[in-house]
Amino acid sequence: RKEVEQDPGPFNVPEGATVAFNCTYSNSASQSFFWYRQDCRKEPKLLMSVYSSGNEDGRFTAQLNRASQYISLLIRDSKLSDSATYLCVVTLFYNTDKLIFGTGTRLQVFP
Amino acid sequence: DTAVSQTPKYLVTQMGNDKSIKCEQNLGHDTMYWYKQDSKKFLKIMFSYNNKELIINETVPNRFSPKSPDKAHLNLHINSLELGDSAVYFCASSQQRLNTEAFFGQGTRLTVV
Repeated sequence: RKEVEQDPGPFNVPEGATVAFNCTYSNSASQSFFWYRQDCRKEPKLLMSVYSSGNEDGRFTAQLNRASQYISLLIRDSKLSDSATYLCVVTLFYNTDKLIFGTGTRLQVFP
Repeated sequence: DTAVSQTPKYLVTQMGNDKSIKCEQNLGHDTMYWYKQDSKKFLKIMFSYNNKELIINETVPNRFSPKSPDKAHLNLHINSLELGDSAVYFCASSQQRLNTEAFFGQGTRLTVV
């Protein structure tokens, strides 16, 4: 079983839609949580960190549920430019030297 | 100026050859990494260096040898290339380990034929 699991998608949504991605992690020692975005044939880039209280950055909202070991990302008012793969990422408290990536969820926003 | 730069961007080579990928970061970060992204797009760490010292070697075959001449550079040398080594290799850096953002290079697409 992978340490970080995501629905690979693809999620095909129209512009303006709201879409949510979920991610589960198996290691209770997970300490820090992130969403990264990877465009086709490009490098991953940090989208946002995920805090215990939940956090929002414009149209993007991230939530963390430590009890269920579950992270979510909500995108409101989807834009064509949101089309990408969204990677759920964790680090462990006893080993902060590596990012543990999920397999990614692909989003395709259509006009 | 590119923050994390890797060369070459594309590398096509025959089985059995030896090749190197270079990585440089101009962010002043202490920690650098090599990640491998396989054909299923799964990203997995290979190596982590902090201030030129190896921190993580994630059960990578010893045909892969990283070298960090200074904390701004982390190169990857691969001996006796195999078909299964075909992947995209990403270099990354972060300031003092990974509770902060990691910055990735553009990737090196390695194809072994």
